[in-house]
Amino acid sequence: NAGVTQTPKFRVLKTGQSMTLLCAQDMNHEYMYWYRQDPGMGLRLIHYSVGEGTTAKGEVPDGYNVSRLKKQNFLLGLESAAPSQTSVYFCASSFGRRETQYFGPGTRLLVL
Amino acid sequence: AQTVTQSQPEMSVQEAETVTLSCTYDTSESDYYLFWYKQPPSRQMILVIRQEAYKQQNATENRFSVNFQKAAKSFSLKISDSQLGDAAMYFCAYRSQPEAQKLVFGQGTRLTINP
Repeated sequence: NAGVTQTPKFRVLKTGQSMTLLCAQDMNHEYMYWYRQDPGMGLRLIHYSVGEGTTAKGEVPDGYNVSRLKKQNFLLGLESAAPSQTSVYFCASSFGRRETQYFGPGTRLLVL
Repeated sequence: AQTVTQSQPEMSVQEAETVTLSCTYDTSESDYYLFWYKQPPSRQMILVIRQEAYKQQNATENRFSVNFQKAAKSFSLKISDSQLGDAAMYFCAYRSQPEAQKLVFGQGTRLTINP
């Protein structure tokens, strides 16, 4: 039982490049979430999913897209990376919206 | 919108002593959950303790306990018998019941344990 895993652990992008972050969970959780963490701040919700094939916007969704084609995977895409998207990205999952969220180890993204 | 404030950017404590981390929040709701998460240098977010707002009894988990003051909207974390492994960033988080999918985090408190 690996819990929540994230790929890659670290990535450097140039402005305007695109990339996809992968989150996988093996706990059969319905809900999955993407957060970003900036220096001196707590985590902020980007997008979330309440089940396979569904997605919804969180607090800071602009510049990101997500997809949940399989229950166990939640993808976060950056179509045209900007320096303001330099951050640490965390994925989380939970059984239901009122259940405890379990976090992955994070992906550090640097946009130059 | 709900907000969570951690007024102590950094705290330090001697090993084996007790330390209290502060958290206040702002909400108009009566039913919600509060959490403390630990983030060690590995960056992994680890749930330390949770408190349901409808419960008057303060939650405890081994050396970790909270002081939940609902009227004052205060939710502090007490760590007893501090250990070197407790060194980390600690985040307070709020979750409402109507928007239970959304966690609102404070800015974090960096805790240093002095040997």
